[in-house]
Amino acid sequence: NAGVTQTPKFQVLKTGQSMTLQCAQDMNHNSMYWYRQDPGMGLRLIYYSASEGTTDKGEVPNGYNVSRLNKREFSLRLESAAPSQTSVYFCASRETGIGGYTFGSGTRLTVV
Amino acid sequence: AQRVTQPEKLLSVFKGAPVELKCNYSYSGSPELFWYVQYSRQRLQLLLRHISRESIKGFTADLNKGETSFHLKKPFAQEEDSAMYYCALMGAQKLVFGQGTRLTINP
Repeated sequence: NAGVTQTPKFQVLKTGQSMTLQCAQDMNHNSMYWYRQDPGMGLRLIYYSASEGTTDKGEVPNGYNVSRLNKREFSLRLESAAPSQTSVYFCASRETGIGGYTFGSGTRLTVV
Repeated sequence: AQRVTQPEKLLSVFKGAPVELKCNYSYSGSPELFWYVQYSRQRLQLLLRHISRESIKGFTADLNKGETSFHLKKPFAQEEDSAMYYCALMGAQKLVFGQGTRLTINP
């Protein structure tokens, strides 16, 4: 009963490097989300996918891209990492119209 | 626009004392509100939904549409309640979170 799985758990990048954060859910949920968590700012939505084949920008999409690879997987890509992207990233999923989100355990990213 | 405000970044109470974490929202439609809890360096967990009106771990929250509030309450705090608490509003297919309140229960 894995729920939402995120990889990697920790990552250190140099400024300008690229990387992809992976997220997969096994609950057959339609909707998936990427948030970043910063002290004093709560969780801010980066991108979301209401259903397979669709993606939309959230509150803070600049510097990120996403891919909804299939119903299970929703990846977040940083093309050219910047120190301002140092954060904890959470993926979440939800069955459309039902209940709250189920969150992954997070990826702690540091950009130096 | 939808907005969630948690006015207290930090809240510290003694064990056994009552706890109230404040949450106010702004939303033009019919709100669906949640409380999430995050224990130290763990994932966020759903604590309460206003629709279900249930009590989890002794916590309750009542939606007050007149005051646009959804405050979280517990009559007697326990040390294991120390955590980060987020109020969230569901609107237009996505959750909007407040800034969070770090609750510390002192022995």
